[in-house]
Amino acid sequence: GAGVSQSPRYKVTKRGQDVTLRCDPISSHATLYWYQQALGQGPEFLTYFNYEAQPDKSGLPSDRFSAERPEGSISTLTIQRTEQRDSAMYRCASSLGARGAKETQYFGPGTRLLVL
Amino acid sequence: AQSVTQLGSHVSVSEGALVLLRCNYSSSVPPYLFWYVQYPNQGLQLLLKYTTGATLVKGINGFEAEFKKSETSFHLTKPSAHMSDAAEYFCAVSGGGSSNTGKLIFGQGTTLQVKP
Repeated sequence: GAGVSQSPRYKVTKRGQDVTLRCDPISSHATLYWYQQALGQGPEFLTYFNYEAQPDKSGLPSDRFSAERPEGSISTLTIQRTEQRDSAMYRCASSLGARGAKETQYFGPGTRLLVL
Repeated sequence: AQSVTQLGSHVSVSEGALVLLRCNYSSSVPPYLFWYVQYPNQGLQLLLKYTTGATLVKGINGFEAEFKKSETSFHLTKPSAHMSDAAEYFCAVSGGGSSNTGKLIFGQGTTLQVKP
């Protein structure tokens, strides 16, 4: 696609419900990142994928958070048993290569999650 | 561990005035450095980045930044502010040394206001 897309753009849910967020990266981009951004803060790393492999998930706050990218393209981030502290903007980014430290990350518009 | 500090959560300048947004980083090895801009309801967009080579980096929209290793700084400047520059700006670091992960560590952001 022309850019990184995310859906839904806004999600309101009740505490205890599960939510799944979707990221569609730029076509042919090998690497995909997920970040969490609290209000008034910078984005914080959650996890990333090289194709379908997930080398680093050290930023996931708890085992309620999981992500997958089964075919090396679209990725989903699932939060089980949501809590109010999960309310944040969730950002997805992709980069072209599989060796990423120098590479530009292209960000999607984000999904704003509100847990009531 | 790497970290980024942006001095000033809000900066206000007059149209046509110099823009200076400050960023200091902490890293045991020279990192890669980035500035991203976020306009309302949009994803983060890369302004410029430093990986190796010339320490003065020019980016889009007339912005530039200089990597100063001795000061561990990467301040963002623009000679003359335009109303369209009003946005939130994030400094970020990644990689360095043997680490090749593209995981970005962001500062907390600086909101730039441009007054007519």
